[in-house]
Amino acid sequence: AQSVTQPDIHITVSEGASLELRCNYSYGATPYLFWYVQSPGQGLQLLLKYFSGDTLVQGIKGFEAEFKRSQSSFNLRKPSVHWSDAAEYFCAVGPGNTGKLIFGQGTTLQVKP
Amino acid sequence: ETGVTQSPTHLIKTRGQQVTLRCSSQSGHNTVSWYQQALGQGPQFIFQYYREEENGRGNFPPRFSGLQFPNYSSELNVNALELDDSALYLCASRDTSFPTDTQYFGPGTRLTVL
Repeated sequence: AQSVTQPDIHITVSEGASLELRCNYSYGATPYLFWYVQSPGQGLQLLLKYFSGDTLVQGIKGFEAEFKRSQSSFNLRKPSVHWSDAAEYFCAVGPGNTGKLIFGQGTTLQVKP
Repeated sequence: ETGVTQSPTHLIKTRGQQVTLRCSSQSGHNTVSWYQQALGQGPQFIFQYYREEENGRGNFPPRFSGLQFPNYSSELNVNALELDDSALYLCASRDTSFPTDTQYFGPGTRLTVL
C-alpha cells in the first residue's frame, strides 16, 4: 500500500536551534516527494520537492531535505529555526508531478522563544 | 499569494443536505485537484480534473462530484452530507508551464455538518 508516515505528531524546538522533521514513505514506483507547510487559516505552501538527481534538495525559507532511498525517507531540516516557522508540516508522495498526492498526517512545530 | 481562491470560507450544513464549494484558479492552470482535510489529519485526495474531464479519483464515494469550467473555475459538490464530511476542503491548481510545474493550494473551505 502507498503511504506516508510522519512519526512525530508534535515537536517543540527553541528559536535558533536546528530542526529535523522525519518522513518515511511506502511507494511502489519511483516516488516524487514533497514537503508542504500550513499555517493557521492558510492553504498549503510548497517548501521543496524531489524528483531525481541530487538527493539533497534546497527549498524556500532556508529548508532542505535529503532523499534516502535505502531508508525510504525524506527528512526535512533547517539549521536555525525562527519563531515564524511555527506551523504544520506535511510530507507527501505522488505518481510523478501529477498533483495526485498522498499526504502524511503532519507534524506540528512549536517554537519556544 | 497563490492566486487560488475558494468560496465560501466557512459553511454550516445539516446531515442529508447538499453543498457546493467553489474554487477559482489562475489563467492557464488547466488541472485542478480537490482534497479533504479532516481535523488533525493530512489532506486526502478526492479527485482531479483536467480540461473539464475527471482525471483520477481517490477513495471517495460517488456522492462527491465535481465540475471544471473553461474559465479556470471549478466546483466540488457533495450530496447527502454525513457528519464525517466535516472537514477543510482544499483545491489546488497546477501550473504546468516549464520550468515551474507547481501545484498551488487555496486557503480552503471549512465545512461543518451538524
